[in-house]
Amino acid sequence: QVQLVQSGAEVKKPGASVKVSCKASGYSFTRYDINWVRQAPGQGLEWVGWLSLQNGYTNFAQKVQGRVTLTTDTTTSTAYMELRSLRSDDTAVYYCAREGGGYGWSHWGQGTLVIVSS
Amino acid sequence: DIQMTQSPSTLSASVEDRVTITCRASQSIGTWLAWYQQKPGKAPKLLIYKASTLESGVPSRFSGSGSGTDFTLTISSLQPDDFATYYCQQYNSPYTFGQGTNLEIK
Repeated sequence: QVQLVQSGAEVKKPGASVKVSCKASGYSFTRYDINWVRQAPGQGLEWVGWLSLQNGYTNFAQKVQGRVTLTTDTTTSTAYMELRSLRSDDTAVYYCAREGGGYGWSHWGQGTLVIVSS
Repeated sequence: DIQMTQSPSTLSASVEDRVTITCRASQSIGTWLAWYQQKPGKAPKLLIYKASTLESGVPSRFSGSGSGTDFTLTISSLQPDDFATYYCQQYNSPYTFGQGTNLEIK
């Protein structure tokens, strides 16, 4: 079955970087785009960015533009999100989600808590 | 960017009630709208995509409608498992979510 398994929780200081991984299994990794979404404590869902597995195109939310990089390792079917220059308001659970074309996002990772604190 | 406005923010209801959540887009998105259910500590779960298509395995008491800028999610007869937070999402890139509706037990 389709699974997205994310890396574990991280605690970082302001100004540092974090790299979260999302390992896919149960489907052809390069056939589906990957999105990243975050959820600050007690808040709603916020889209972070999108990566096309077909052509490498990306698109990012304005709030993280210039600080985020999305990459993949197709040999291990793993997607990565790196967020730099971390601020306290980057504290959130970060989710990866598989995009199904026009069919919504049916598969999500379990989430990775990133805490930014001095 | 397209803004999504969901209402109400909180909805109190009882088991077997019929409830409706609305979502309005700041500009037309056709039917590029999905609904998700989220429970505490869990990832969102896809319920509806393309505004009205039920995701496989989702109970038929859930339904979606609308196009353009106005959309609704209806639960025809609330079950205990349905008390959760619901989000609409437009996926007419870039993507945005509504602020969420917390469906709580009355």
